[in-house]
Amino acid sequence: NAGVMQNPRHLVRRRGQEARLRCSPMKGHSHVYWYRQLPEEGLKFMVYLQKENIIDESGMPKERFSAEFPKEGPSILRIQQVVRGDSAAYFCASSPGRRGQPQHFGDGTRLSIL
Amino acid sequence: DQQVKQNSPSLSVQEGRISILNCDYTNSMFDYFLWYKKYPAEGPTFLISISSIKDKNEDGRFTVFLNKSAKHLSLHIVPSQPGDSAVYFCAASDGNQFYFGTGTSLTVIP
Repeated sequence: NAGVMQNPRHLVRRRGQEARLRCSPMKGHSHVYWYRQLPEEGLKFMVYLQKENIIDESGMPKERFSAEFPKEGPSILRIQQVVRGDSAAYFCASSPGRRGQPQHFGDGTRLSIL
Repeated sequence: DQQVKQNSPSLSVQEGRISILNCDYTNSMFDYFLWYKKYPAEGPTFLISISSIKDKNEDGRFTVFLNKSAKHLSLHIVPSQPGDSAVYFCAASDGNQFYFGTGTSLTVIP
């Protein structure tokens, strides 16, 4: 499967725990984007990364959230000390980074906070 | 601030008829526009795109129209099929980031 791979598909955490969401981009794609979709809402941009660099994190909450895209391995979205309001679907997309090329999405991680 | 807007949260169309989904944007720096289709519990799937140098792009039953002066784009699906029932997101890019609308839920009635 050459598509964007996200895991886990479903993640359950208790309040105060940490959540780690992983995203492996499509082969040949070096740009990764994370989005959050709350129930009944659209896709909200969180962060845009290239290998080892954060390009734009303007959509990321200032506290508890962080993202990385290391030289080797998947991109990680990390949420510390989760709260009920973090329950959402988190989507990752990747692109080759060239103008006029679409993003392609994974199937998301559904995070549920107990 | 929402730079890409889809003002119709939902649309119902009879099978075989045309579906027209609309999208407005505010940033004149956008030069690439896309439509995605999303089924429940899946990620958005890329459908069709258009560059700002064009005003129309067609792919089978799907056609995207771009009106730069009005900052408006639309997706036409004809003929509509029940399998087209999904949420449709429009998106725009300035060459760096992608900006998404809030989606329109299309229901095609058999």
